[in-house]
Amino acid sequence: DQQVKQNSPSLSVQEGRISILNCDYTNSMFDYFLWYKKYPAEGPTFLISISSIKDKNEDGRFTVFLNKSAKHLSLHIVPSQPGDSAVYFCAAKISNYKLTFGKGTLLTVNP
Amino acid sequence: EAGVAQSPRYKIIEKRQSVAFWCNPISGHATLYWYQQILGQGPKLLIQFQNNGVVDDSQLPKDRFSAERLKGVDSTLKIQPAKLEDSAVYLCASSGGTVQETQYFGPGTRLLVL
Repeated sequence: DQQVKQNSPSLSVQEGRISILNCDYTNSMFDYFLWYKKYPAEGPTFLISISSIKDKNEDGRFTVFLNKSAKHLSLHIVPSQPGDSAVYFCAAKISNYKLTFGKGTLLTVNP
Repeated sequence: EAGVAQSPRYKIIEKRQSVAFWCNPISGHATLYWYQQILGQGPKLLIQFQNNGVVDDSQLPKDRFSAERLKGVDSTLKIQPAKLEDSAVYLCASSGGTVQETQYFGPGTRLLVL
């Protein structure tokens, strides 16, 4: 049973445009959500997070939106840059319990 | 600040052999995690340590996998005997341990079982 789903295996956007990565979850007990970015041959690196008491969190070019009623979150990158090309993982957890990851979305930003 | 260190970076073994991975977390981080990431999947938690005690090992295949964290610092993950389906990247992560503390990942060990 996959509790965190990233239904788009890949996404391609032009440099300067907006990238929108989506994530759905099934467990309504999740109360903290994170996005990680992963380059080839490296470990995932933390990008941005959001608590379930919020619906938006922004950090520079990165914004995460949370829609609890739809059990959906999204990561917006504006403007997209070629260096943003990586695999993006959505993850969720319940309080101090373990992180549950999605399968990831490969983002390619074309110059 | 030094990141999470892992070794070796790559390992190729034959099935039924044994293998061990090593992890050195960020200094001062109380919580250490081992994840398994199979190609095309997200990381899956195998075991979580708080200092040198096990917090969660519910997804660790205990008949073949073992892990220890002596003195609450470094950790080793062992597979004995290995199976073909153990081919994956093994990621170590550490965090300060509070509820919303960020987990910092090492580069991983890529294991291929032939």
